[in-house]
Amino acid sequence: DVKVTQSSRYLVKRTGEKVFLECVQDMDHENMFWYRQDPGLGLRLIYFSYDVKMKEKGDIPEGYSVSREKKERFSLILESASTNQTSMYLCASTPPGTGGITEAFFGQGTRLTVV
Amino acid sequence: AQSVTQPDIHITVSEGASLELRCNYSYGATPYLFWYVQSPGQGLQLLLKYFSGDTLVQGIKGFEAEFKRSQSSFNLRKPSVHWSDAAEYFCAVGARGATNKLIFGTGTLLAVQP
Repeated sequence: DVKVTQSSRYLVKRTGEKVFLECVQDMDHENMFWYRQDPGLGLRLIYFSYDVKMKEKGDIPEGYSVSREKKERFSLILESASTNQTSMYLCASTPPGTGGITEAFFGQGTRLTVV
Repeated sequence: AQSVTQPDIHITVSEGASLELRCNYSYGATPYLFWYVQSPGQGLQLLLKYFSGDTLVQGIKGFEAEFKRSQSSFNLRKPSVHWSDAAEYFCAVGARGATNKLIFGTGTLLAVQP
C-alpha cells in the first residue's frame, strides 16, 4: 500500500515562528501537493511539485514556501507563522499519469495551531 | 484553470433513502474527476474516479457517479444510504497535461438520520 506520512498530527506554534511541516511518501511518486483544509472552504491548494526541486504555486501560496530536495520528501514552510494560518494541512502524492493527474494518496493531516 | 463547485454544503438523508451529491466542474477539456470521502478524524479516501470511457463509474461502498459532459457535472449517487456513510464528501478535478494540478471543491457534509 502507498503510504504518505506527515511528521506531526498536532502542532502548536507561536506567532512569528518559522514552521516546517514534513511529508514523506514511499511509492516513488513524481507529484506531491500541500493543501490546507478549513471548514466551509474545502481543500485549497498551496503548492505542488512535479519533480525534485520543481515547484509551482497553487491557489493560496502567500505566506508559505516549499522545498523538495528528494523525491520522497516535500516540506511546507511557514516563514513567519500567523494566527490566520491555523488550519489542517494535508499532504498528497500521485503517481505519474498518462498526460495528467491520477489518483491522489493523502497523509493523515497536521493540525496546526498558531497562538 | 480548472475549478469545482459543490453547491450543497450540508445534506441530511434518512437511513435507507437514496442519495445524490452534486458536483460541477469547469475545465477546457475532458478532465480527470474524483470523489473522495473524509470520515471524522480520518484522512481522505478515494471513492471513485473517471478518466475516460464509460460515463457511469462504480466505486467502493456502493457509490457510483455519472460524468455528463453537456452539464459539466459529475454527481455522486448511492441507492440506499447507511448510517456509516455520514461523512464529508469532496469532488475533485485534475488537469490533463503538464500542469498536474488537482483542485477540490468545498465539500458536502452528509448527515444520516436513523
